[in-house]
Amino acid sequence: DAGVIQSPRHEVTEMGQEVTLRCKPISGHNSLFWYRQTMMRGLELLIYFNNNVPIDDSGMPEDRFSAKMPNASFSTLKIQPSEPRDSAVYFCASSGSELYTQYFGPGTRLTVL
Amino acid sequence: QKEVEQNSGPLSVPEGAIASLNCTYSDRGSQSFFWYRQYSGKSPELIMFIYSNGDKEDGRFTAQLNKASQYVSLLIRDSQPSDSATYLCAVNWQGAQKLVFGQGTRLTINP
Repeated sequence: DAGVIQSPRHEVTEMGQEVTLRCKPISGHNSLFWYRQTMMRGLELLIYFNNNVPIDDSGMPEDRFSAKMPNASFSTLKIQPSEPRDSAVYFCASSGSELYTQYFGPGTRLTVL
Repeated sequence: QKEVEQNSGPLSVPEGAIASLNCTYSDRGSQSFFWYRQYSGKSPELIMFIYSNGDKEDGRFTAQLNKASQYVSLLIRDSQPSDSATYLCAVNWQGAQKLVFGQGTRLTINP
């Protein structure tokens, strides 16, 4: 069974550009989570969805960040405009029936120049 | 007080010995506790989860939970060089689906 799929795996962009990260959760999982990981701040939850509905977006750093989940098999995290301080690894995770257990995708390493 | 605290290490353990990783948490409403392993440049990988007080064993790994002391630990028996990684402790926050992660403990197993 395929795990969580993320694309792209690496993204290098210039400050001010729009960045879109994509995630496909494990089939049958009804919860999806977006995280950001940096050396300084560790692994931080940005937003999570239950049955495609955003439940908690308190971790989204500012209005430049937005996330959508148009259906059960796809989610996007968008940064517009991007800034160098957004450089990090962004992980998507999904969760199904096992109580609160989350499974992570391979991550997208974002570099904003 | 941080929500989830771990000793950042590095923790150095000789091959074949027991590695002991510790984690404390501040939310008494947390019900589920997780240990993830993360190799450098890779994503977190679930190793163990525990919900009840006491010990839970899975192969060379044992998770221990003490809710009264708000303490969870991971023991790795017969440590192997392949166990060298960063270990992340996570707890579900206020009983919800949201997981809060500690900063991680970097473990090195010396051959």
